[in-house]
Amino acid sequence: DQQVKQNSPSLSVQEGRISILNCDYTNSMFDYFLWYKKYPAEGPTFLISISSIKDKNEDGRFTVFLNKSAKHLSLHIVPSQPGDSAVYFCAASDASGTYKYIFGTGTRLKVLA
Amino acid sequence: DAGVIQSPRHEVTEMGQEVTLRCKPISGHNSLFWYRQTMMRGLELLIYFNNNVPIDDSGMPEDRFSAKMPNASFSTLKIQPSEPRDSAVYFCASSFYPGDEQFFGPGTRLTVL
Repeated sequence: DQQVKQNSPSLSVQEGRISILNCDYTNSMFDYFLWYKKYPAEGPTFLISISSIKDKNEDGRFTVFLNKSAKHLSLHIVPSQPGDSAVYFCAASDASGTYKYIFGTGTRLKVLA
Repeated sequence: DAGVIQSPRHEVTEMGQEVTLRCKPISGHNSLFWYRQTMMRGLELLIYFNNNVPIDDSGMPEDRFSAKMPNASFSTLKIQPSEPRDSAVYFCASSFYPGDEQFFGPGTRLTVL
């Protein structure tokens, strides 16, 4: 039972355009959400996060949007660069519970030069 | 800062053999996590420790899997006996405290023939 779902296994975007990666969750107790980025043969690295008290968090080219009523979050990358090509994992946690992260299956982003 | 260290990076073994994966967390981090990455299920949390004590092992798939953290700077994940379906990439991660940003190691790619 996947509590965090990334329904698009892959995405290709032209350099300079916007990349939008989507993530859905089912557990209404989740109150903290994160995106991790993973290059081949490396471990995932933290990219950006958002608390459930916000609906948007921005860090440079990366913006995460949270829609609590729809249990949906998205990561926007503008403008996309070839170096952004990686696998992106969405994760959620319940800060009032065990704090563990529940990850999605990942979306492989390919930015075409 | 050496980051999270995992060994070996690659392990190939035959079905029925014992496999031991090792992890050295970042110095000063009090929480340690073991994850398994597969195409079908993404990043799954197997077990996590806080202050060397196992807090949540609900993700450990079977009794064939066991994990220990004898001290703050070392943890092992053991599979005995190993099976082909255990083939995956296993990541170790650490954080200052539960809920804080997790830093991942490079992973161990396990192949069970």
